[in-house]
Amino acid sequence: DAKTTQPTSMDCAEGRAANLPCNHSTISGNEYVYWYRQIHSQGPQYIIHGLKNNETNEMASLIITEDRKSSTLILPHATLRDTAVYYCIVRVASGTYKYIFGTGTRLKVLA
Amino acid sequence: NAGVTQTPKFQVLKTGQSMTLQCAQDMNHEYMSWYRQDPGMGLRLIHYSVGAGITDQGEVPNGYNVSRSTTEDFPLRLLSAAPSQTSVYFCASSPSTLNSLGEQYFGPGTRLTVT
Repeated sequence: DAKTTQPTSMDCAEGRAANLPCNHSTISGNEYVYWYRQIHSQGPQYIIHGLKNNETNEMASLIITEDRKSSTLILPHATLRDTAVYYCIVRVASGTYKYIFGTGTRLKVLA
Repeated sequence: NAGVTQTPKFQVLKTGQSMTLQCAQDMNHEYMSWYRQDPGMGLRLIHYSVGAGITDQGEVPNGYNVSRSTTEDFPLRLLSAAPSQTSVYFCASSPSTLNSLGEQYFGPGTRLTVT
């Protein structure tokens, strides 16, 4: 089954770019990579997802390596409100609807 | 749109009691799912549904039942509550297809304590 690996925690200075890595070396086929974040104990919030090419939206950018074994979520100008747990998610296996969250990266943005 | 709603927000149960956590969405999403989140941990998938009448097990299905009689509702039943089921439960929905999950919309969660 596919799974993801993320660092447990990271710090970032306010106003700087936050780069959050994710390893998904067992990703299969044409599977998307999804990123969510969870602030305090609220329900997770969708950020972005991608397949092969880099993606950008109003919240973040997603860089996926050419071999698709890893990706990096970039918050270009981190603010204190970006302090959260960030989850990288892939499907367990092609042809299923099971998506596994993993334990995520706790990002702390420092003033 | 109300999005994804969950009731109750908080619940305390005694060991052995049963109860149903309610989840509803008004976005006509086919895919709905239930997760649990233990303190300091990530989310774990309990059950999911890809449409009315279709449900399947996730990572941690034991002790829970689900049904999907309508597109809007996806209740989660605890059959005989145990202290190990103390957790925060999140419901989510998505306009998923087999090729892509799309964006999952999460409810605010139900905080359950089993004594």
